[in-house]
Amino acid sequence: DSGVTQTPKHLITATGQRVTLRCSPRSGDLSVYWYQQSLDQGLQFLIQYYNGEERAKGNILERFSAQQFPDLHSELNLSSLELGDSALYFCASSVPTGELFFGEGSRLTVL
Amino acid sequence: DQQVKQNSPSLSVQEGRISILNCDYTNSMFDYFLWYKKYPAEGPTFLISISSIKDKNEDGRFTVFLNKSAKHLSLHIVPSQPGDSAVYFCAAMNYGGSQGNLIFGKGTKLSVKP
Repeated sequence: DSGVTQTPKHLITATGQRVTLRCSPRSGDLSVYWYQQSLDQGLQFLIQYYNGEERAKGNILERFSAQQFPDLHSELNLSSLELGDSALYFCASSVPTGELFFGEGSRLTVL
Repeated sequence: DQQVKQNSPSLSVQEGRISILNCDYTNSMFDYFLWYKKYPAEGPTFLISISSIKDKNEDGRFTVFLNKSAKHLSLHIVPSQPGDSAVYFCAAMNYGGSQGNLIFGKGTKLSVKP
């Protein structure tokens, strides 16, 4: 158990819809990272938040947005969903030395 | 453009033998490298790391080697065990940059046969 909690574990929705994925970092970790893993792809960095503020942005689509709340949990919002958005979405939090601790992921299926 | 490359999608090894997983990177600003292991239906878990000031780091059966001039690192598992069967991701970062912004390779699926 990494201490990072993600909900929901599985989500099935239709094209054009909007979903929200939730993440609670490990106790004491201020940073939250979101990664996407599509079929045959590695882990693609989407976005990082640190103590409520956006710290770094990766290959995140404009249809996607994220935020980190005062209690440090984070939400990733995916809108106008397309078939290609089907993927595993991982949240992670980090220790100061850089290692990331990942949640179990949210599997999104867009039909 | 892939900055971290794992050119072998899969590797099969006999139990007790050595597993060698390879990783190449292109960004000379990377100075911290990590390996993660991922089982099905689980998130990646941190395995071992190495800083660019070292060329080797060992933790039990796992050793990571770094060749900075070749921009290459490898993970050695000796002896390999069936429980090591998983997908292994190589990751790199510029530690002085956006901390925790790891760039991952696509992974190598290791199968250790009894």
